[in-house]
Amino acid sequence: NAGVMQNPRHLVRRRGQEARLRCSPMKGHSHVYWYRQLPEEGLKFMVYLQKENIIDESGMPKERFSAEFPKEGPSILRIQQVVRGDSAAYFCASSSRQVLNYGYTFGSGTRLTVV
Amino acid sequence: DQQVKQNSPSLSVQEGRISILNCDYTNSMFDYFLWYKKYPAEGPTFLISISSIKDKNEDGRFTVFLNKSAKHLSLHIVPSQPGDSAVYFCAASAAGGSEKLVFGKGTKLTVNP
Repeated sequence: NAGVMQNPRHLVRRRGQEARLRCSPMKGHSHVYWYRQLPEEGLKFMVYLQKENIIDESGMPKERFSAEFPKEGPSILRIQQVVRGDSAAYFCASSSRQVLNYGYTFGSGTRLTVV
Repeated sequence: DQQVKQNSPSLSVQEGRISILNCDYTNSMFDYFLWYKKYPAEGPTFLISISSIKDKNEDGRFTVFLNKSAKHLSLHIVPSQPGDSAVYFCAASAAGGSEKLVFGKGTKLTVNP
C-alpha cells in the first residue's frame, strides 16, 4: 500500500539543463498537485492535474515550467533551462476526490539543486 | 502578499504541557483550513482540518479552533510529546475552483523532555 512516490529524491542540474521530476500518486488517486517550497518558505501551489487534463496551473511560472499527467504513467513536472532560483524542494500530492476534509497525501519530495 | 501568516517561526514547550500554534489569514474567501506536520526531508503529513461553518474540531490530542471574525485559527496539542517536534504548516482553501491550498511559512515546534 505505497504512498505517493516521487523520484528522484535529490536532483542536481547545471544551469541551462532540463529537470524532470516524477510523481506516482497513491493507488486509486486521480488528482495530482505540485507544490514548491523555497528555503525558509511555505509550500506554494504550482499546478493541479487530473488524468490527461490540467485543471489549474495558476501557480506555474509562465516560462520554462510544464506539467503533465498522462493516462498511463506518472505525473511529470518539467523545468527547462534551469536557473539557480529553481533550487527548491518540489512536492507532489494526490487525492481521490475534490473534497478536502481529509487533506492531500504528500510525497517525500524532490530536492532540486541547480549549480 | 501573504494570505496565510504564521507569525511565530518557532515555539519551544515542555513535554506534557500545551502547545499552541497560531495562524492568521486575510482572504475572506477561505472556507477550509488544514494543519500539516512536517519532519525534515519528508513531505507534509495531514494532521487536522476545520470547515468555516465550525469553530472547533478535535482529534485526540489535537484541537483546532477557528475565529472567523478575527480571521484567526489555532492548533492546540495537549499533552505535548517529544515526537511532536516538527514544523507545523497552516493551510487554507477558498470555495470553488480547484483544491489548491495556500500555506503559511510554518512554525517549528520543539518539545523538550
